[in-house]
Amino acid sequence: EAGVVQSPRYKIIEKKQPVAFWCNPISGHNTLYWYLQNLGQGPELLIRYENEEAVDDSQLPKDRFSAERLKGVDSTLKIQPAELGDSAVYLCASSSREGSTDTQYFGPGTRLTVL
Amino acid sequence: AQSVTQLGSHVSVSEGALVLLRCNYSSSVPPYLFWYVQYPNQGLQLLLKYTTGATLVKGINGFEAEFKKSETSFHLTKPSAHMSDAAEYFCAVSLTLNDMRFGAGTRLTVKP
Repeated sequence: EAGVVQSPRYKIIEKKQPVAFWCNPISGHNTLYWYLQNLGQGPELLIRYENEEAVDDSQLPKDRFSAERLKGVDSTLKIQPAELGDSAVYLCASSSREGSTDTQYFGPGTRLTVL
Repeated sequence: AQSVTQLGSHVSVSEGALVLLRCNYSSSVPPYLFWYVQYPNQGLQLLLKYTTGATLVKGINGFEAEFKKSETSFHLTKPSAHMSDAAEYFCAVSLTLNDMRFGAGTRLTVKP
């Protein structure tokens, strides 16, 4: 079974430029998450989708960040314009119900460097 | 809201020695608890999780963790460290099915 796929793995851009990250979840997983991981810290949730609906986007900086999950499968996270402080790893995860709780499976992440 | 504190941002052990990574949580109700491992340039991989039932949970790669409600702890242990265990370890807590909160992580170094 293929895992969560993310691309690109690495991205270097100059500040004020736009950037987009793509995620394809595990087949059959209806829930998709985007996390931000700063250096030396744990992941922090940006947005959670149930199918194509964003059910928790309270931590997404909506002035510059946007996300979509058309057709409830793969998803795109966009930053426009990027700022120096956006340099981080952006992780995508998807989940399935296993027992009494969902288990989240993570992709390898996209490491963004903003110069 | 729930939260997690991982004691020690960096732990170093010798190969063959006991591994102990500490995690304490704060929650108003019994939580779900998780340990994830992250190898360099990779995503997080689930080691083990506690939901209900037996408080001693066994995971992959010889790791286990014990849920202690009285101490609000969920420490991760492995009897004998291997070089391949060197990685970043994250403890996480959730109250419902989807609201996972991660600790800051503990970097484990294994010396030969």
